[in-house]
Amino acid sequence: GESVGLHLPTLSVQEGDNSIINCAYSNSASDYFIWYKQESGKGPQFIIDIRSNMDKRQGQRVTVLLNKTVKHLSLQIAATQPGDSAVYFCAERPPGNDKIIFGKGTRLHILP
Amino acid sequence: SQTIHQWPATLVQPVGSPLSLECTVEGTSNPNLYWYRQAAGRGLQLLFYSVGIGQISSEVPQNLSASRPQDRQFILSSKKLLLSDSGFYLCAWSDRYGYTFGSGTRLTVV
Repeated sequence: GESVGLHLPTLSVQEGDNSIINCAYSNSASDYFIWYKQESGKGPQFIIDIRSNMDKRQGQRVTVLLNKTVKHLSLQIAATQPGDSAVYFCAERPPGNDKIIFGKGTRLHILP
Repeated sequence: SQTIHQWPATLVQPVGSPLSLECTVEGTSNPNLYWYRQAAGRGLQLLFYSVGIGQISSEVPQNLSASRPQDRQFILSSKKLLLSDSGFYLCAWSDRYGYTFGSGTRLTVV
């Protein structure tokens, strides 16, 4: 899509604070959502997922919130650490296939 | 467990030279396979995906091609590289629960 050519937005957060990364998805019928973390020079890695029949899911230090009314997904990282510095991508899966659609990504920068 | 192997990790090639990047998957059968390209500081662009041997779908017109000669092997190729082909290339496989990505190949065309 168009977003692949754009520079990624950056979120700067103080170490120890909570981070909130937001994502707008495109298909109201998507039934599954995933957050990925991509560190510099590496492939994206799965962080957490959520199905459309849920509005919140918690992992270790991470929480994903889903608001289907406004097609919005967020990732909350508690007590942000230097190792959380990465690009974060949201992804949605439209019904009927395995191909998922990636959001444009957000670069998380941790301030000392 | 499923694993995905992608090589080489880095590659520097002259303009006009051919390209072959290989990706193999272990621990799964009949996976959906994907090639993505990522320019520096940009998002993920889907180049090709395959749902089976010999079945390739191209998402964007370009100088590259893909092939799937075996169930768990996916190859990205070019006959003549362009400067604009430089980037970070990622292979991935998927099931109903998302994607697993390879470690990527950083290609620099000079």
